[in-house]
Amino acid sequence: NAGVTQTPKFRVLKTGQSMTLLCAQDMNHEYMYWYRQDPGMGLRLIHYSVGEGTTAKGEVPDGYNVSRLKKQNFLLGLESAAPSQTSVYFCASSYTSGEGSFGPGTRLTVT
Amino acid sequence: EDQVTQSPEALRLQEGESSSLNCSYTVSGLRGLFWYRQDPGKGPEFLFTLYSAGEEKEKERLKATLTKKESFLHITAPKPEDSATYLCAVQAANDYKLSFGAGTTVTVRA
Repeated sequence: NAGVTQTPKFRVLKTGQSMTLLCAQDMNHEYMYWYRQDPGMGLRLIHYSVGEGTTAKGEVPDGYNVSRLKKQNFLLGLESAAPSQTSVYFCASSYTSGEGSFGPGTRLTVT
Repeated sequence: EDQVTQSPEALRLQEGESSSLNCSYTVSGLRGLFWYRQDPGKGPEFLFTLYSAGEEKEKERLKATLTKKESFLHITAPKPEDSATYLCAVQAANDYKLSFGAGTTVTVRA
């Protein structure tokens, strides 16, 4: 099992550009989450999904959109990147709500 | 709003010097409290889930305990490979999300 994988690992964007981060899991987990991690602030939930075709807002959803068209994939989109979105993004999945398996992260820099 | 505060922010230990990390929390009905380990440049790795006050769990040199207001992660006779950031998170009974603390970075010197 590959677990949770994230694509890409690194990305540099200019302000106003758009991009999509891909998260894939091969554990047949129902729940999937997108977090961002900033120094001194811990992990903050952006969006989450409780099953295929569902999405919901987390703590810091502004500027991001998500889609869960297939159970194994959870996409995070930035329509118009801003420097405040410079962060490390982690995807996680879990069988039920609770402890999750995290991906390796995507380091995004917006200049 | 759920709140999680971890202390200290950083902890430097000599190999073999036992210590404890604190996670204080406020939540409206606790479903679970979670401990993770995070190595630099990697995603968090799950360690423990605690569900009710008085519960304890152990894994190698780590032992997690839970009261109604806080959790402790005890590191007994640490080794350099225990160096990492340890994250605490809580989940409310009526919620799907985890609320994380900022973490405690532990450095163990040989």
